[in-house]
Amino acid sequence: DAGVIQSPRHEVTEMGQEVTLRCKPISGHNSLFWYRQTMMRGLELLIYFNNNVPIDDSGMPEDRFSAKMPNASFSTLKIQPSEPRDSAVYFCASRVSGGLDTQYFGPGTRLTVL
Amino acid sequence: GENVEQHPSTLSVQEGDSAVIKCTYSDSASNYFPWYKQELGKGPQLIIDIRSNVGEKKDQRIAVTLNKTAKHFSLHITETQPEDSAVYFCAATRLSGANSKLTFGKGITLSVRP
Repeated sequence: DAGVIQSPRHEVTEMGQEVTLRCKPISGHNSLFWYRQTMMRGLELLIYFNNNVPIDDSGMPEDRFSAKMPNASFSTLKIQPSEPRDSAVYFCASRVSGGLDTQYFGPGTRLTVL
Repeated sequence: GENVEQHPSTLSVQEGDSAVIKCTYSDSASNYFPWYKQELGKGPQLIIDIRSNVGEKKDQRIAVTLNKTAKHFSLHITETQPEDSAVYFCAATRLSGANSKLTFGKGITLSVRP
């Protein structure tokens, strides 16, 4: 099992640019979560999907953030336009919904916006 | 909504000693409490969890205790080793099938001195 796969692992961009983070959940998992981790705010849930449908996006900071899950094996988190305060580590996690609540995290994408 | 707090934010122990990390939660309906360990450069990984129908659970050197009345739960690590050095997150949720989501504490950095 390859685990949750995220790409890129590191992203450095300039303010105003569009950033797209990618996630491939574990095969067979039907819930997917996007988190943001910073020193100040810890681990924050941004949005999560069940069976490719967004269930709760109340954690998405503002309209500059959007997430999609076009199929069971792929999700994207997009920031447009990016700002320095978006600098953080972004994690994707997946689980089997309705079973044990164990979430399996990917290695994260470290985003730096200059 | 649920609010989870961890104290202290850092903990340093001598190798071989025990470490105790405490968390409090606010929602009395929460019934599932996992602990995640995050090593440097990696995503959080589940190490142990407990449900509200039990007061304690052990797995080798780690154990978790739950006090529902006081709404707090603790992670106990005995015979600490340098590889236990990491950030530890507690979390809480009310299991509700497909739509449950975890609320994480801000994490505690555990350092084990050789």
